[in-house]
Amino acid sequence: EAGVAQSPRYKIIEKRQSVAFWCNPISGHATLYWYQQILGQGPKLLIQFQNNGVVDDSQLPKDRFSAERLKGVDSTLKIQPAKLEDSAVYLCASSLDTGDSPLHFGNGTRLTVT
Amino acid sequence: AQSVAQPEDQVNVAEGNPLTVKCTYSVSGNPYLFWYVQYPNRGLQFLLKYITGDNLVKGSYGFEAEFNKSQTSFHLKKPSALVSDSALYFCAALSSSNYQLIWGAGTKLIIKP
Repeated sequence: EAGVAQSPRYKIIEKRQSVAFWCNPISGHATLYWYQQILGQGPKLLIQFQNNGVVDDSQLPKDRFSAERLKGVDSTLKIQPAKLEDSAVYLCASSLDTGDSPLHFGNGTRLTVT
Repeated sequence: AQSVAQPEDQVNVAEGNPLTVKCTYSVSGNPYLFWYVQYPNRGLQFLLKYITGDNLVKGSYGFEAEFNKSQTSFHLKKPSALVSDSALYFCAALSSSNYQLIWGAGTKLIIKP
């Protein structure tokens, strides 16, 4: 099966600029996750979708971050405006459901904010 | 508060020797436990999981993990390490009561030839 696709792989922007990331999950996976991974740390959940509804966005900085999953398939994550501390790898993952199904991760987008 | 601890930032093992990467957890309800591996510049990759049943779980690439309820631990093991096993390993726990996935901070495994 095709894996989780993410683009771009790398992005460099200046602070206060905007950026968007795209994710296409594995076909048939109902649950989609966006994680932020700072170097040397474990992944931090930003938002979790079940189909096109939000299950958990408690750690999403809503003043600058937004995400959508139209039609319950692919998803975009946007940062506007970016701050230096947003420099991280943004990982998208999908799973069959929200239970004990393992997560399948994309290769991530490495964002550098200068 | 729910948490997953990986007490070792880094584990060094000689090739051919057995390896253990430690994980302890604190979650409400019966835990679902997972191990993931992350190679450089890649996303995380699922290795194995414990849901219920046999305490010894076998997974990908010859890895296994032992669930110990009394010690609330889920250590990752492999009988004979390969240089290619060098990577970052993450333990995660899912609470069966609220289905929130809690991640450890990761352990860097270095296998020396």
